[in-house]
Amino acid sequence: DVKVTQSSRYLVKRTGEKVFLECVQDMDHENMFWYRQDPGLGLRLIYFSYDVKMKEKGDIPEGYSVSREKKERFSLILESASTNQTSMYLCASSSPKGAIREQYFGPGTRLTVT
Amino acid sequence: GDSVTQMEGPVTLSEEACLTINCTYTATGYPSLFWYVQYPGEGLQLLLKATKADDKGSNKGFEATYRKETTSFHLEKGSVQVSDSAVYFCALYSNDYKLSFGAGTTVTVRA
Repeated sequence: DVKVTQSSRYLVKRTGEKVFLECVQDMDHENMFWYRQDPGLGLRLIYFSYDVKMKEKGDIPEGYSVSREKKERFSLILESASTNQTSMYLCASSSPKGAIREQYFGPGTRLTVT
Repeated sequence: GDSVTQMEGPVTLSEEACLTINCTYTATGYPSLFWYVQYPGEGLQLLLKATKADDKGSNKGFEATYRKETTSFHLEKGSVQVSDSAVYFCALYSNDYKLSFGAGTTVTVRA
């Protein structure tokens, strides 16, 4: 079974802090994704990566950056956390092989910025 | 761009009732279609999928048929249980590595 793990289930940070969210997958997937989930808005893509050291902006990259130094790990960084970044953050991975691009999700990190 | 529109919730049902969640899509070409489910406190899990027109995906008593003529992929279950209470997301993949998700439909099943 594919396993995607995230470093924290719940996180509380103060405005202005630098925040790191870590994601690790164990299926040797090339693609990794960071989403945020807000009620009524579904999932919105923040950044994705299709290879080590490669990254692409998603739909809402402002205020975020990412790092992919190893294939299995994809980090989301909030350079200076703000209250409007309070949300559920979901990491996912997928393989580009084959026609079906289903993504496998981690359990999520609920971040509260006060 | 590619997009998915799904029925807004919340939906509240009694046990053993029928459930239908509507999903329509806009895409160029022939996307793959998915339903994901998110149980309380968890991440998303793939529920079912279909990759071409007239394909029927099924899992855990849920079904959805890829209808190209109506650009739809409605999710159905004939008899729901309390354990089906969750948020359901319709999604499509067409290109560029990315999935496009609907807004999600919250389903609550009462005993």
